[in-house]
Amino acid sequence: NAGVMQNPRHLVRRRGQEARLRCSPMKGHSHVYWYRQLPEEGLKFMVYLQKENIIDESGMPKERFSAEFPKEGPSILRIQQVVRGDSAAYFCASSPQAGNTEAFFGQGTRLTVV
Amino acid sequence: DAKTTQPPSMDCAEGRAANLPCNHSTISGNEYVYWYRQIHSQGPQYIIHGLKNNETNEMASLIITEDRKSSTLILPHATLRDTAVYYCIVRVVDGGGSQGNLIFGKGTKLSVKP
Repeated sequence: NAGVMQNPRHLVRRRGQEARLRCSPMKGHSHVYWYRQLPEEGLKFMVYLQKENIIDESGMPKERFSAEFPKEGPSILRIQQVVRGDSAAYFCASSPQAGNTEAFFGQGTRLTVV
Repeated sequence: DAKTTQPPSMDCAEGRAANLPCNHSTISGNEYVYWYRQIHSQGPQYIIHGLKNNETNEMASLIITEDRKSSTLILPHATLRDTAVYYCIVRVVDGGGSQGNLIFGKGTKLSVKP
């Protein structure tokens, strides 16, 4: 059973470009969480999604950031018009259901904006 | 915001038990205590979780006080590979939505020394 897969592992974008980060949850998992970790800082919650639904996006910046988890395929975190401050590690986690289950994390995508 | 308080750093001698404390004095009856760790810049790794009874698995033991206001993660025989940041998290179990989120604090940086 493969773990949570994130790709790409490293992504370089120029200022103003778009970044698309993909997260394939573990088999049978229908809940996905995205986190951002700035250099030397802790993990900050961004968004929680179930299949085709955004459950909680209270941690998402109001502009340029969006997330989806379609019925088929991976979850996508999209950052439009990237700026240098978006440089960070982005982690996703998945769980089979909310509540008393552990969430498993991927190895992250390291975004560098130049 | 995180509902837990942990010491920022701890040292432990290799082969000795590492005891990592966590205060969660405002924990609610429907909140579990979860522990994760992050080794260097890898994705967070699930360790253990519990509600009120002590728990043990192949990685660690979790001791929760009777009033549930604090807990201790025990790594019985720490190795150099256990050097990591350890996060104690309280998480509502009741259902979906934001209640299922894992909100990370600053954690404890454990350094295992030879």
